[in-house]
Amino acid sequence: RKEVEQDPGPFNVPEGATVAFNCTYSNSASQSFFWYRQDCRKEPKLLMSVYSSGNEDGRFTAQLNRASQYISLLIRDSKLSDSATYLCVVNSGLFRGTNAGKSTFGDGTTLTVKP
Amino acid sequence: DGGITQSPKYLFRKEGQNVTLSCEQNLNHDAMYWYRQDPGQGLRLIYYSQIVNDFQKGDIAEGYSVSREKKESFPLTVTSAQKNPTAFYLCASSTGSGSDTQYFGPGTRLTVL
Repeated sequence: RKEVEQDPGPFNVPEGATVAFNCTYSNSASQSFFWYRQDCRKEPKLLMSVYSSGNEDGRFTAQLNRASQYISLLIRDSKLSDSATYLCVVNSGLFRGTNAGKSTFGDGTTLTVKP
Repeated sequence: DGGITQSPKYLFRKEGQNVTLSCEQNLNHDAMYWYRQDPGQGLRLIYYSQIVNDFQKGDIAEGYSVSREKKESFPLTVTSAQKNPTAFYLCASSTGSGSDTQYFGPGTRLTVL
């Protein structure tokens, strides 16, 4: 089983739709959680961090459920420009006694928003 | 502008050659990372460095080498021992605290001919 697993996708939705992605992780000691967005042939860019209390940034809402070890991302009123691959990232805390955080990336879920 | 730069953007290599990918950051970050991404897959960690003159192997270090002589620079060498080097290589940096965010450079796309 992979440490971080995402919905396989792809998701093809019309403009204006609401779409949700889920991500599960296996390490219960994981400390921090992120969603990144990656456009085709580009580098990943931070979309938002994920907190237990949930957090919202405009049309995007992220939730963390530590008990069930899953993270979600909700996109409301989808735009054409939201088309991208969304990567779930889980930081498992310390690298073997160092202070650097070890981030594990999911394989990503591809979203295509159509007119 | 603060950020991370990688060069070259595209790189072609003949089998049996070593190549070095550049990564530079001016964010004053302590930690730097190298990842590899294959089509349709997530990122896999090759090497990381928390501080100058120190680096550690990640999950797929075989066939790669790095150095960290300066805080700003973390070059990656893909050696001839790497059996399947064609991939998208991404460099990242972070402040180095336990759960901090990583910021990525634009990547180098390596193709072995």
